[in-house]
Amino acid sequence: EPEVTQTPSHQVTQMGQEVILRCVPISNHLYFYWYRQILGQKVEFLVSFYNNEISEKSEIFDDQFSVERPDGSNFTLKIRSTKLEDSAMYFCASSGPLLDTEAFFGQGTRLTVV
Amino acid sequence: AQKVTQAQTEISVVEKEDVTLDCVYETRDTTYYLFWYKQPPSGELVFLIRRNSFDEQNEISGRYSWNFQKSTSSFNFTITASQVVDSAVYFCALESGSSNTGKLIFGQGTTLQVKP
Repeated sequence: EPEVTQTPSHQVTQMGQEVILRCVPISNHLYFYWYRQILGQKVEFLVSFYNNEISEKSEIFDDQFSVERPDGSNFTLKIRSTKLEDSAMYFCASSGPLLDTEAFFGQGTRLTVV
Repeated sequence: AQKVTQAQTEISVVEKEDVTLDCVYETRDTTYYLFWYKQPPSGELVFLIRRNSFDEQNEISGRYSWNFQKSTSSFNFTITASQVVDSAVYFCALESGSSNTGKLIFGQGTTLQVKP
């Protein structure tokens, strides 16, 4: 069964460093998302991406964050100058090919900023 | 404003008991979608069901059933004859039909513990 895969599963980084979280969405999906879950809290929307551009972003998704689809398969989230409060589980999701279909999530990347 | 409320923070039951997880949503849209996801201890989010606002028919899938009532803006989830493997955090989520982006708004989640 097709699945969304994320790498790495766990990333530890020093405060102030840049990190790139990687995702390979399901191959025929056209809509891509990043969500964040701070430990013990709810899942929060960060950004949606379609047709090589951001379609919606939340207040959390400020200039520190960026997304990219550098090739036909990967979808990345870059966090510049990480802060302690960026520590969370980051989930990638994809849906499609039509918009009104369920999103499937990857297993998540646990980011720990020290 | 769009909002999902899962008032039950934690529920503990003994195996084989039935359990209902509540979900109440708020939206002004006439077209919207409701979801349930399961997050087991391993951390991933597992899709369980998607329901559109025009389909109020209840759904049953094995031991799982869902009761969608627009009159009370609720989309409750029942597990019949619960098992230890059902222990997880369960999230209800809402997608606005007018967003055109697929963004999901999640509730706070309900932690279900099923004891043997």
